[in-house]
Amino acid sequence: DQQVKQNSPSLSVQEGRISILNCDYTNSMFDYFLWYKKYPAEGPTFLISISSIKDKNEDGRFTVFLNKSAKHLSLHIVPSQPGDSAVYFCAAFYNNNDMRFGAGTRLTVKP
Amino acid sequence: DAGITQSPRHKVTETGTPVTLRCHQTENHRYMYWYRQDPGHGLRLIHYSYGVKDTDKGEVSDGYSVSRSKTEDFLLTLESATSSQTSVYFCAISDSDRLNTGELFFGEGSRLTVL
Repeated sequence: DQQVKQNSPSLSVQEGRISILNCDYTNSMFDYFLWYKKYPAEGPTFLISISSIKDKNEDGRFTVFLNKSAKHLSLHIVPSQPGDSAVYFCAAFYNNNDMRFGAGTRLTVKP
Repeated sequence: DAGITQSPRHKVTETGTPVTLRCHQTENHRYMYWYRQDPGHGLRLIHYSYGVKDTDKGEVSDGYSVSRSKTEDFLLTLESATSSQTSVYFCAISDSDRLNTGELFFGEGSRLTVL
């Protein structure tokens, strides 16, 4: 029962362009959403989050958009840089111990 | 960076043998978690702890047990390892201030191969 889905296993973009990573969820109870970034041989690191009472949160080059009616969120990276190449996990929860993660999307930013 | 260390970082073992993974933190955070990462599944919660001797099951707890006798240490034990438990295991911690935002700090992972 995968409650958080990232349907694109991989994404490749050119340096300087926009990267858009998508995530869908099925549980309407989720009220907090996060994106984590993971480099090879390292643990995931927190990137950005959004509460269900908002529809957008921005932090520098990273913006997360939430569409509750569609149960969809997306992460925009503008402009994309080669150092952004990593696996990105979408996560959602409604109490601290029920966080669910998507399968991840591998982003490759080409110079 | 949060001070989390996992040991061992790599382990190869045989089916039926017991295995213990250790997570050690120097942040004095109350909450500790064990996740496993598998292709196509992302990260799945195995067990978590909300204090010394206080633990609970996660999404995929079958075949695993945990113990937390000190704030800084959270042990994950596979009593009798099976090939389906071949995975990368991540420990994570969280403090009360970040609890409502769900922000976790992860260790570097322990790669376990069960032959």
